[in-house]
Amino acid sequence: NAGVTQTPKFQVLKTGQSMTLQCAQDMNHEYMSWYRQDPGMGLRLIHYSVGAGITDQGEVPNGYNVSRSTTEDFPLRLLSAAPSQTSVYFCASSYSVLGRSSGANVLTFGAGSRLTVL
Amino acid sequence: EDQVTQSPEALRLQEGESSSLNCSYTVSGLRGLFWYRQDPGKGPEFLFTLYSAGEEKEKERLKATLTKKESFLHITAPKPEDSATYLCAVLPDKLIFGTGTRLQVFP
Repeated sequence: NAGVTQTPKFQVLKTGQSMTLQCAQDMNHEYMSWYRQDPGMGLRLIHYSVGAGITDQGEVPNGYNVSRSTTEDFPLRLLSAAPSQTSVYFCASSYSVLGRSSGANVLTFGAGSRLTVL
Repeated sequence: EDQVTQSPEALRLQEGESSSLNCSYTVSGLRGLFWYRQDPGKGPEFLFTLYSAGEEKEKERLKATLTKKESFLHITAPKPEDSATYLCAVLPDKLIFGTGTRLQVFP
């Protein structure tokens, strides 16, 4: 099993450009989420999804869009990149909604996508 | 406000020198506390889940414990391969991650 696959691994953008970070999981997980990780700060939740067709905002959603058309895929779109979005982005999934049951609370993370906005 | 604080920020140990990492938290209703390990350039990898005060979990040289206000990750006789950043997260309604402790173990 591949687990959670993120692409690209590295990306450089200019201010104002748009792009999509791809995330795919092959574990039939119900819950998927996007985090950003910045130096000196904990992982912060951007958006999450509890199933196909259902998405919701996390702690830092501004400037990002998501969609969940299939169980497997959860792309993150940057609408108009800004230097403040320079970060490492992680996609993570769990077989069920966090908190619903003890076994559902374990997140499987992808390897990350490092984004630099100039 | 729900929050989690990890200390120290960084820890350097000699191989075999045991120590502990701390994760203190303030949440309105803890539904779980989690420890993850993160190697450079990789995503966090799950280690332990603790749900109630007094609970302990062990895996090789690592042992996690939980009280009503904090959790400790004890590392016994560490090896260089234990070098990584260790993240703590708490779950009231959504996961809240700490900033991590960067552990370096020297031979």
